[in-house]
Amino acid sequence: SQKIEQNSEALNIQEGKTATLTCNYTNYSPAYLQWYRQDPGRGPVFLLLIRENEKEKRKERLKVTFDTTLKQSLFHITASQPADSATYLCALVTGGFKTIFGAGTRLFVKA
Amino acid sequence: GAGVSQSPSNKVTEKGKDVELRCDPISGHTALYWYRQSLGQGLEFLIYFQGNSAPDKSGLPSDRFSAERTGGSVSTLTIQRTQQEDSAVYLCASSIEDSKNYGYTFGSGTRLTVV
Repeated sequence: SQKIEQNSEALNIQEGKTATLTCNYTNYSPAYLQWYRQDPGRGPVFLLLIRENEKEKRKERLKVTFDTTLKQSLFHITASQPADSATYLCALVTGGFKTIFGAGTRLFVKA
Repeated sequence: GAGVSQSPSNKVTEKGKDVELRCDPISGHTALYWYRQSLGQGLEFLIYFQGNSAPDKSGLPSDRFSAERTGGSVSTLTIQRTQQEDSAVYLCASSIEDSKNYGYTFGSGTRLTVV
């Protein structure tokens, strides 16, 4: 069956360190993969998109990698700040426009 | 408007009642999606509208759920004879036709509680 897996355990890191979040998937052939941030009581906010033929994408302190052989994406936040504390969702887009979301990983950045 | 607007933000209803949830997408966005999110769960796809095409209803969990989009803009999600398992946050999102570069813009959701 098709599955998207993100670490269900919260990730706790110290301010200034790099946070790395993992998204693994099975039985999908995504055309591209998106990462969203979600704060409590709010809808997800789009952060970054990476295509299947791209290995890496960067935006300011964010970096996303996409390994279609491992069926895995890594999401990095460098020089993390307490304001980066939120839940981060990965989402796969296959052919067409239906997007499948993971359950998300909560990130806590301690000052 | 500047963002995706959903109403009401919270809805408490009695089991068996019908509810209507409204979504006002960003002007000019041709694609509109409904998802629901239960506590600790990922977003569950419900339905997708794209322009004048027939909607993709493949995610609707039962025939108690229906949605329409009038005039290519505002959308209403209707749940008939609500059940307790319908309790969740219902999220609406819109995107320009080619969302590949821009992702989706979500509203803040409607928190539905069926008692």
